Amino acid sequence: QKEVEQDPGPLSVPEGAIVSLNCTYSNSAFQYFMWYRQYSRKGPELLMYTYSSGNKEDGRFTAQVDKSSKYISLFIRDSQPSDSATYLCAIQGAQKLVFGQGTRLTINP
Amino acid sequence: DAGVIQSPRHEVTEMGQEVTLRCKPISGHNSLFWYRQTMMRGLELLIYFNNNVPIDDSGMPEDRFSAKMPNASFSTLKIQPSEPRDSAVYFCASSKQGNRETQYFGPGTRLLVL
Repeated sequence: QKEVEQDPGPLSVPEGAIVSLNCTYSNSAFQYFMWYRQYSRKGPELLMYTYSSGNKEDGRFTAQVDKSSKYISLFIRDSQPSDSATYLCAIQGAQKLVFGQGTRLTINP
Repeated sequence: DAGVIQSPRHEVTEMGQEVTLRCKPISGHNSLFWYRQTMMRGLELLIYFNNNVPIDDSGMPEDRFSAKMPNASFSTLKIQPSEPRDSAVYFCASSKQGNRETQYFGPGTRLLVL
């Protein structure tokens, strides 16, 4: 079983839709949870970072962590074509950052 | 402020050849990471250095891969001999200190081994 599981998609939604991206993880010792965004032919860049269970909001983006279910989510409200990218969850273990497969998202105008 | 710099951006080589990828981390960052990204396996950590010293190389696939960091501003990842299954995008990332700090990624090197 992979340490972090993420549906690779692809996911295609119309502009303005609410997008939900999800990951599950297997190791309850994981403590720090991140979402990276990767545009085509670019390196990943940190989008959001959270430590505790619950929600963290930043503009149109909300990161949600449920440690009891080992489940993390990223919600994008009022999605824009510029949000089209691959979104990778990343979870910090004791020794290293473990990335999900990435979900390719396309927002259609 | 310059981000992480990688060269070359693209590399096409033939099986058996030596490949050297280069990385210049962000100035002042003490930790450097090499990752490989493929469709099948996603983004995988190969090796990470802290203060120029390799800390975790458990992700290095096999002896054909080696990495060095001779000083704080330069690192190389070498594949010798290269094989078609090494074809991937190789990313270098740096952070201020350790693997718990935000990592900043370079643009990557797209490697194709024929």
